[in-house]
Amino acid sequence: NAGVTQTPKFRILKIGQSMTLQCTQDMNHNYMYWYRQDPGMGLKLIYYSVGAGITDKGEVPNGYNVSRSTTEDFPLRLELAAPSQTSVYFCASSYSDRGSQPQHFGDGTRLSIL
Amino acid sequence: QQPVQSPQAVILREGEDAVINCSSSKALYSVHWYRQKHGEAPVFLMILLKGGEQKGHEKISASFNEKKQQSSLYLTASQLSYSGTYFCGTEGGSQGNLIFGKGTKLSVKP
Repeated sequence: NAGVTQTPKFRILKIGQSMTLQCTQDMNHNYMYWYRQDPGMGLKLIYYSVGAGITDKGEVPNGYNVSRSTTEDFPLRLELAAPSQTSVYFCASSYSDRGSQPQHFGDGTRLSIL
Repeated sequence: QQPVQSPQAVILREGEDAVINCSSSKALYSVHWYRQKHGEAPVFLMILLKGGEQKGHEKISASFNEKKQQSSLYLTASQLSYSGTYFCGTEGGSQGNLIFGKGTKLSVKP
């Protein structure tokens, strides 16, 4: 029972490089989310998706892009990496209705931009 | 509006009780509680829906007062395994998405 799987677990990037953080879930959840977590700041929503082909911006979308071609996968793309994007990134999913259903989190990707 | 959690940190001895509060400036329809251990992912504890229902999860319970726009998490007879950072999440972001508080770091000592 895998749940939400994120790859890679760790990554170091140079300023200006780009990369894709992968997220896949096997629970057939419609809703998927990308958060970033900075020390002492809680979780900030970057992008979310309510189903395949539908994505929308969260609180802090600048510098990121997403796509959702299947129910299972929700990759996060960083273009032109900047030091401010150094963070821990969590992908999460829920069955439906953001308020009444729990969110299931992946183990996170620890990203450093140098 | 990000919910405000208090206290920011608390240190307990095993067996002691603690209360963590979560307050919002906006009307609440639901409150989520999650626990995150160091270096790990947040783990769902419980959801409280509008109606003031108190829920329980082993020796961890919570209440939700929508009039006061706040929720409280109660940890009784704390165990070492309760250590971690507790986050509340409230609906208030765009399209009703959750906004998480900054967290309360709980340390339980033997």
